[in-house]
Amino acid sequence: DAGVTQSPTHLIKTRGQHVTLRCSPISGHKSVSWYQQVLGQGPQFIFQYYEKEERGRGNFPDRFSARQFPNYSSELNVNALLLGDSALYLCASGRWAQYFGPGTRLTVT
Amino acid sequence: ELKVEQNPLFLSMQEGKNYTIYCNYSTTSDRLYWYRQDPGKSLESLFVLLSNGAVKQEGRLMASLDTKARLSTLHITAAVHDLSATYFCAVDDTNFGNEKLTFGTGTRLTIIP
Repeated sequence: DAGVTQSPTHLIKTRGQHVTLRCSPISGHKSVSWYQQVLGQGPQFIFQYYEKEERGRGNFPDRFSARQFPNYSSELNVNALLLGDSALYLCASGRWAQYFGPGTRLTVT
Repeated sequence: ELKVEQNPLFLSMQEGKNYTIYCNYSTTSDRLYWYRQDPGKSLESLFVLLSNGAVKQEGRLMASLDTKARLSTLHITAAVHDLSATYFCAVDDTNFGNEKLTFGTGTRLTIIP
């Protein structure tokens, strides 16, 4: 079985642009969580979705949004990118986020 | 707000030695996780501890949980170079109402030959 997949692997954007990150959970998992990991720090919770509904939101501005599709894959959208949004974005599959994907490394210049 | 603290933040140890990483958290929780992260990589789940007194072991790593003290430890026995990585503990914030993990700051472990 495939694990959690994320795309793209790496991304470079300019300040003010918009970005969409994608995640496919492990087959059969209905929950997806998103975390942001800034270099040198632990991951920070952004969103959790379960059965296509938002179950929780962390302390992130409204520039961050997400959604979950009927096949349980998910998108994370970030508008008006700031330099501080540069980070590794991790998607976790399943309840209690036990299985993490490889991440998308976003660099904002 | 749940806070999770790890110490030490950095640990350099010789091969063959034993050491312990500590994880303290500030509020009641039912679940505690340990993860390993290699440079530039994602998180690898090591242990899930679900109850007071839980102890789990895998190879040279052993994790334990004391929910009354709000403390978990990750013990490394006879360290080998392959264990060099950053280790995170994470606590399920049950007060949040869903499955939100709050992570510690991580312990960067370097094993010296």
